[in-house]
Amino acid sequence: DVKVTQSSRYLVKRTGEKVFLECVQDMDHENMFWYRQDPGLGLRLIYFSYDVKMKEKGDIPEGYSVSREKKERFSLILESASTNQTSMYLCASTNGGYGGYGYTFGSGTRLTVV
Amino acid sequence: LAKTTQPISMDSYEGQEVNITCSHNNIATNDYITWYQQFPSQGPRFIIQGYKTKVTNEVASLFIPADRKSSTLSLPRVSLSDTAVYYCLSVDYGGSQGNLIFGKGTKLSVKP
Repeated sequence: DVKVTQSSRYLVKRTGEKVFLECVQDMDHENMFWYRQDPGLGLRLIYFSYDVKMKEKGDIPEGYSVSREKKERFSLILESASTNQTSMYLCASTNGGYGGYGYTFGSGTRLTVV
Repeated sequence: LAKTTQPISMDSYEGQEVNITCSHNNIATNDYITWYQQFPSQGPRFIIQGYKTKVTNEVASLFIPADRKSSTLSLPRVSLSDTAVYYCLSVDYGGSQGNLIFGKGTKLSVKP
């Protein structure tokens, strides 16, 4: 089974801090994604990457950046954390993923910004 | 906005078959129907995908009629561990990667 591992299940950070969320997948998937999930808003795509050192903005990239230096690792960076970035963050990976097929999600990181 | 509509919640008992219907009246020619399952405090998990007619795997079956305006996810003989939120997605097969629009889903509660 493909595993997508997110480094932290729960994080509490202070406003203004720089926050790093790490995601690692072990099945050589080309594509990796970062989403946030909020009640009533569903999943929203923040950034995605098709290849090493490649990144594309999703629907809500403001306040975030990403890094993909190795194929298996995709990091989400909150440049200066704010309370409205309190959310569940989900990383996912897939090869192809046509029509939504076979995305593998991590267990999520619940981030609280105080 | 989600392109699909499904019931907010359903209740069932262990051992029963559960059918969750999803409406997608404006489905596009290139769209596939894809279902995900999500347990509390976990990420969604892919269940099944189809375009037309019936697809079956070890977890579920998916029925899509000829007009493709609706679909039904069928879970045979549910157990307590099937309690989760089930999402129906209509996704462009050749569209932008990662553009998965999860609506509110159907919260399935399985009782003993």
